[in-house]
Amino acid sequence: EAGVAQSPRYKIIEKRQSVAFWCNPISGHATLYWYQQILGQGPKLLIQFQNNGVVDDSQLPKDRFSAERLKGVDSTLKIQPAKLEDSAVYLCASSLGTGRFYGYTFGSGTRLTVV
Amino acid sequence: AQSVAQPEDQVNVAEGNPLTVKCTYSVSGNPYLFWYVQYPNRGLQFLLKYITGDNLVKGSYGFEAEFNKSQTSFHLKKPSALVSDSALYFCAVRDRSGGGADGLTFGKGTHLIIQP
Repeated sequence: EAGVAQSPRYKIIEKRQSVAFWCNPISGHATLYWYQQILGQGPKLLIQFQNNGVVDDSQLPKDRFSAERLKGVDSTLKIQPAKLEDSAVYLCASSLGTGRFYGYTFGSGTRLTVV
Repeated sequence: AQSVAQPEDQVNVAEGNPLTVKCTYSVSGNPYLFWYVQYPNRGLQFLLKYITGDNLVKGSYGFEAEFNKSQTSFHLKKPSALVSDSALYFCAVRDRSGGGADGLTFGKGTHLIIQP
């Protein structure tokens, strides 16, 4: 089966600019996650979707970050305006569902550098 | 709140020797526990998980981990290290009672370096 697809692989922007990342999960996976991995740290969950609804966005900096999954399939994560501390790898993951244990599959990530 | 501690930033092991990467966790209920490996410029690759049952879990590439509830630990082990095992390893936890919110909480990672 195809994996979790993310684009772009790399992005360099200046601070105060906006940026968007795209994720296409494994076909049929109802649950989608966005994680932020800052250099030297473990991934941190930003937001979890179940189909097109938000399950958990408690760690999403909502003043500058937004995410959507309009049709319950692919998702976009946006940062506006970007700050230097947003430099990180943004990982998307998907799972068949929740309520019982399903495995998680991670994409290769988008590496964002804010200068 | 749930948390994971990986006390070692780096572990150095000679090829052929056994290796251990340490992990302790904290959750309010019972845990699901995971180990992932990350190679440079790659995503996270699943190694193994503990859900329930036997405390010794076997996973990919000859790795295993032992769940110890009393010590709240889930150390990763391998009997004989390979140079190709050199990578960044993450331990992660999820509370079973989290309901629909089931994102993982990761440790900060441990660099495993296998010396020829």
